[in-house]
Amino acid sequence: NAGVTQTPKFQVLKTGQSMTLQCAQDMNHEYMSWYRQDPGMGLRLIHYSVGAGITDQGEVPNGYNVSRSTTEDFPLRLLSAAPSQTSVYFCASTRGTSGNNEQFFGPGTRLTVL
Amino acid sequence: AQRVTQPEKLLSVFKGAPVELKCNYSYSGSPELFWYVQYSRQRLQLLLRHISRESIKGFTADLNKGETSFHLKKPFAQEEDSAMYYCALSSSNTGKLIFGQGTTLQVKP
Repeated sequence: NAGVTQTPKFQVLKTGQSMTLQCAQDMNHEYMSWYRQDPGMGLRLIHYSVGAGITDQGEVPNGYNVSRSTTEDFPLRLLSAAPSQTSVYFCASTRGTSGNNEQFFGPGTRLTVL
Repeated sequence: AQRVTQPEKLLSVFKGAPVELKCNYSYSGSPELFWYVQYSRQRLQLLLRHISRESIKGFTADLNKGETSFHLKKPFAQEEDSAMYYCALSSSNTGKLIFGQGTTLQVKP
């Protein structure tokens, strides 16, 4: 199993550009989520999905879109990049929605918006 | 409101010293609490969860509902323990994790 994979590892964008961060998992996990990691802020939930076709907003959803057309994939789209979106982005997945389940994280995407 | 607070950004100790990383939470209900760790250049991974009552790599954490705390402890720190540690609370039935701000543990030789 590859676990949770993310591409790209690094990305530099100009203000106003759009892009999609890719996330995939091969563990047949129902639940997937996107976090951003900023110094002093910890990890903050952007969007999450409890299954294919179902998504919902997290704590900091503005400026991001997601979709979940398959169980495996959960891409994160930046519609019009802003310098405030400079961050490290982590995708995670877990087997179900029970609170006890371990979440598995991807390696992260480091995004810089100029 | 659900919240996790880690008051220390950085904790620096010498090898062999005891370690306690603090975590306080606010949650209306029965919390599910976790400690995640991120070693340098590695992805975030689960260290331990309160429901398991286990000791991983010598670390333990006890849930104190009266003080709403879930502090992470280790009696003798090792250099390989140097990492970023996150306390997290799970919202039951949704799978959502709420993270604290993180504490960097630096173990000096």
